[in-house]
Amino acid sequence: EAQVTQNPRYLITVTGKKLTVTCSQNMNHEYMSWYRQDPGLGLRQIYYSMNVEVTDKGDVPEGYKVSRKEKRNFPLILESPSPNQTSLYFCASSPGGYSNQPQHFGDGTRLSIL
Amino acid sequence: DQQVKQNSPSLSVQEGRISILNCDYTNSMFDYFLWYKKYPAEGPTFLISISSIKDKNEDGRFTVFLNKSAKHLSLHIVPSQPGDSAVYFCAASASQGGSEKLVFGKGTKLTVNP
Repeated sequence: EAQVTQNPRYLITVTGKKLTVTCSQNMNHEYMSWYRQDPGLGLRQIYYSMNVEVTDKGDVPEGYKVSRKEKRNFPLILESPSPNQTSLYFCASSPGGYSNQPQHFGDGTRLSIL
Repeated sequence: DQQVKQNSPSLSVQEGRISILNCDYTNSMFDYFLWYKKYPAEGPTFLISISSIKDKNEDGRFTVFLNKSAKHLSLHIVPSQPGDSAVYFCAASASQGGSEKLVFGKGTKLTVNP
């Protein structure tokens, strides 16, 4: 089954404790991306990757890091999480290396930073 | 600076009638537009897209219209069904701008009443 898998689905943690949200896709897609969804703000892109070792900033990259060492995985790293990073996070992927292809989204990761 | 605007946070229609969801954009470099649908506790799913070389794209009950001069697009759902009740996001990309960011609107919550 074609899917984008995020882990964990839920996490409550404390300020400053490094965390990683993993994202894996099994569709051999080039483009992968991270978004956060906040009430009243919709979906905002954090980082995207057009292919292995090619990443770039979205609209809200501050406080986040990503890496793309292999095509299937695109982890989101919060080196020193803060309460304003409490949000619902989505990973997505699409074929080709471009943002205009329909993206497949994961089911989301709800992060709470206390 | 909100580049993609969905000015109606919510819309309510009767089953069988037409639903019209609107989206405005400010960046004239945008040349590809997508609509996504999102149910609670799930990731967004792709619905329909349109390139700037077209002014209409149709897929079953869903039609997207693009008015480039007005920087406006709309999604028509005819006839509306209760299962269409969801949050709808408009998104835009600029393939010629050297960036593969995807910019989303804040979303419109559609409720279709039986």
